[in-house]
Amino acid sequence: DVQLVESGGGLVQPGGSLRLSCAASGFTFSTYDMHWVRQVTGRGLEWVSAIGSGGDTYYEDSVQGRFTISRDNAKNSLYLQMNSLRAGDTAMYYCARAGYCSSSTCYVLPFDTWGQGTMVIVSS
Amino acid sequence: DIQMTQSPSTLSASVGDRVTMTCRASQSIPNSWLAWYQQKPGKAPKLLIYKASTLESGVPSRFSGSGSGTVFTLTISSLQPDDFATYYCQLYDAYWTFGQGTKVEIK
Repeated sequence: DVQLVESGGGLVQPGGSLRLSCAASGFTFSTYDMHWVRQVTGRGLEWVSAIGSGGDTYYEDSVQGRFTISRDNAKNSLYLQMNSLRAGDTAMYYCARAGYCSSSTCYVLPFDTWGQGTMVIVSS
Repeated sequence: DIQMTQSPSTLSASVGDRVTMTCRASQSIPNSWLAWYQQKPGKAPKLLIYKASTLESGVPSRFSGSGSGTVFTLTISSLQPDDFATYYCQLYDAYWTFGQGTKVEIK
């Protein structure tokens, strides 16, 4: 089965750092674009960051310069390094699978698989 | 950036009702790269529809999507107890913007 499992969330003080991980299984991880999406409790979904199968990265404006997305295809894992954390970063963080590239073509795809989420709380 | 606006924010309906919700984009969405997700409390979102009108595998046929350009709709033809949830639209090419959601609640 296709599966994503996040870990690494927790309580951190403002200004601190945290590294989230997302372990993928059941599919060829290296060929897919991967994303992080967050959700403040009781609020809507907010896209945070993406990394393409080729390693290109994208960030939402409010996290640009503070968060770094990366992937280790040998370990089938996605990461989000979060630095200079603020109270406004408190949320559930989900990883999600999206676009796919074969050897010759890339396909635009929606977020068809999501992890269960990992909670990040930024508080003193 | 393209903004996505959903309406209504909350929709009150009864089992068996036909319900429709709307997602409007601030600019035309190319190739109808528009998806709809369902989310229940404490759970991750679930993909329902992509490319505006294509039903994801395993999703009941009572769900349907339509639209193009800047206006898109999600329709549930006969609301079932399992459908009470929050629904999000999303642009998913170059930008990955979500709408603010429509909560379907019991009338």
